[in-house]
Amino acid sequence: GAVVSQHPSRVICKSGTSVKIECRSLDFQATTMFWYRQFPKQSLMLMATSNEGSKATYEQGVEKDKFLINHASLTLSTLTVTSAHPEDSSFYICSATRGLTDTQYFGPGTRLTVL
Amino acid sequence: EDKVVQSPLSLVVHEGDTVTLNCSYEVTNFRSLLWYKQEKKAPTFLFMLTSSGIEKKSGRLSSILDKKELSSILNITATQTGDSAIYLCARGTSYGKLTFGQGTILTVHP
Repeated sequence: GAVVSQHPSRVICKSGTSVKIECRSLDFQATTMFWYRQFPKQSLMLMATSNEGSKATYEQGVEKDKFLINHASLTLSTLTVTSAHPEDSSFYICSATRGLTDTQYFGPGTRLTVL
Repeated sequence: EDKVVQSPLSLVVHEGDTVTLNCSYEVTNFRSLLWYKQEKKAPTFLFMLTSSGIEKKSGRLSSILDKKELSSILNITATQTGDSAIYLCARGTSYGKLTFGQGTILTVHP
């Protein structure tokens, strides 16, 4: 298999607080992990690419100080939304690749609602 | 430009119909073309295509890449209500990233 998990699946927080989302590859060591954001009825927008032990590469327009990514091991990457605002409310999805392939395996996503 | 365009954006059919979903892409740094199905949660992988003209098949689903036309199609035959989903096409680049199209929302009525 190639199973990717995310935790939590759903989180509601107050404006100004920080939220951490975990992404784990359960049965393989991930070469690279990716973080996406998806608005309702829209496609996936890549936020950043993350490799174990190195700094994440952020896409243009994504604030690296706002969306902190830590990739501590080959099976775990975390995304922290700092000082969250209502406009950060979205569906956040991570994915992971196994080996030198383009196929990305996606986690189940995290629905973030900022009040 | 790093663009992937899917058509149609939405499609409503009845069970038993056959559908063809289209995806076109820009040529820069092309490595692969992938199809995903997204229901309530995260996308699930369907196909990865790298060679032109070779059909990949899985049950009622099949897909083919045309590098000359910079496009791919996803066919679903004998559609079922369980095929209702968003179908996403993505282009892989030499940097290992995927650029997704807008998706096609498929609705299959009983």
